Amino acid sequence: SQQGEEDPQALSIQEGENATMNCSYKTSINNLQWYRQNSGRGLVHLILIRSNEREKHSGRLRVTLDTSKKSSSLLITASRAADTASYFCATDAGSRLTFGEGTQLTVNP
Amino acid sequence: EAQVTQNPRYLITVTGKKLTVTCSQNMNHEYMSWYRQDPGLGLRQIYYSMNVEVTDKGDVPEGYKVSRKEKRNFPLILESPSPNQTSLYFCASSLGWRGAEQFFGPGTRLTVL
Repeated sequence: SQQGEEDPQALSIQEGENATMNCSYKTSINNLQWYRQNSGRGLVHLILIRSNEREKHSGRLRVTLDTSKKSSSLLITASRAADTASYFCATDAGSRLTFGEGTQLTVNP
Repeated sequence: EAQVTQNPRYLITVTGKKLTVTCSQNMNHEYMSWYRQDPGLGLRQIYYSMNVEVTDKGDVPEGYKVSRKEKRNFPLILESPSPNQTSLYFCASSLGWRGAEQFFGPGTRLTVL
């Protein structure tokens, strides 16, 4: 199975609400990245958090990393309809980046 | 504009007919890779290259070939495509490996009949 596994698989919220997605992984990592994918398009990098960091912010995004639990979360605050997309976590494993299956976020106007 | 380009964007072909999907990046990136994306399976890495003339297998390399003769190009070759290779393919590149942001191409939707 994938190194990174997102939870939930799908999330539907109203505009203005916060969205939280979680990622769990199995082995030690050097860093964890989050990506966004609009339907059928290429992935776009959102944020990277290193293994020695616990929290990172970028605009409306907040990422946390708990290496003891091998998990990360992505929080999108004050969501907008334009945030509707799939979100993937990715971990480096050796010389390869391994992606999870993604969380499909739908933000209803 | 910094980008990763792929061609073709859409392709319908028949079993056994050799095809090549091209990938090119204009960012002088050393690392390039190919992924396939299938419903319920997420993105799986096919092959990657850490530099010119250096390629290695990813998670699902069977049925695919790659080459890296130049830094900017990383074509994906299907010598004898089969229906189970019907998928959405992405090429990606990054400046280095560890901690590097991956830049993705727009994707190639391949259907093998």
